[in-house]
Amino acid sequence: EPEVTQTPSHQVTQMGQEVILRCVPISNHLYFYWYRQILGQKVEFLVSFYNNEISEKSEIFDDQFSVERPDGSNFTLKIRSTKLEDSAMYFCASILRRDSYTGELFFGEGSRLTVL
Amino acid sequence: AQSVSQHNHHVILSEAASLELGCNYSYGGTVNLFWYVQYPGQHLQLLLKYFSGDPLVKGIKGFEAEFIKSKFSFNLRKPSVQWSDTAEYFCAVNAVLTDSWGKLQFGAGTQVVVTP
Repeated sequence: EPEVTQTPSHQVTQMGQEVILRCVPISNHLYFYWYRQILGQKVEFLVSFYNNEISEKSEIFDDQFSVERPDGSNFTLKIRSTKLEDSAMYFCASILRRDSYTGELFFGEGSRLTVL
Repeated sequence: AQSVSQHNHHVILSEAASLELGCNYSYGGTVNLFWYVQYPGQHLQLLLKYFSGDPLVKGIKGFEAEFIKSKFSFNLRKPSVQWSDTAEYFCAVNAVLTDSWGKLQFGAGTQVVVTP
């Protein structure tokens, strides 16, 4: 079964450092997403991406965050200068098309980010 | 703002017992509804979804959920659980008019432990 893969599975970084989390969505999917889950809290939407641009972003997704799809397969989330409160599990997801038949979100296993 | 509430944070039950997990949402308009499951160490997986039509939806692994519009609820049920159903269960809502497709509001999750 095709799957969304994420790397790294766990990253530990110092506050203020830049972090890049990588995702390989399912190959024919067109829409891409990042979600995050701070320990003990809800899974929260961060950003959606389509046709090489952000389609929607949440209030959490401030100027410290950016996304790109540099090579047509990888979908990355960059945090420019990490803060302690960025510590969370980050989930990548993708969708084939936005309809009720193929619009299921497929999630990756997550990348756990720990900021010290 | 919309919110999604899951009534139980932690449920422990024995094999063969019946399971019902509550989910309520606050949005008054048209919604798409989902239940996701996360087995230990694995990614979020779709159990079932409701877009329209029959409010009783059947999903994978013997799960079903009933959408009751008047109660803003989408409760998950399984008549007889197995040890392998031990996992965290998340209810999620997409508010059709205000959320883009793929942008989900998640509940806090319910950790279900099934004992042999």
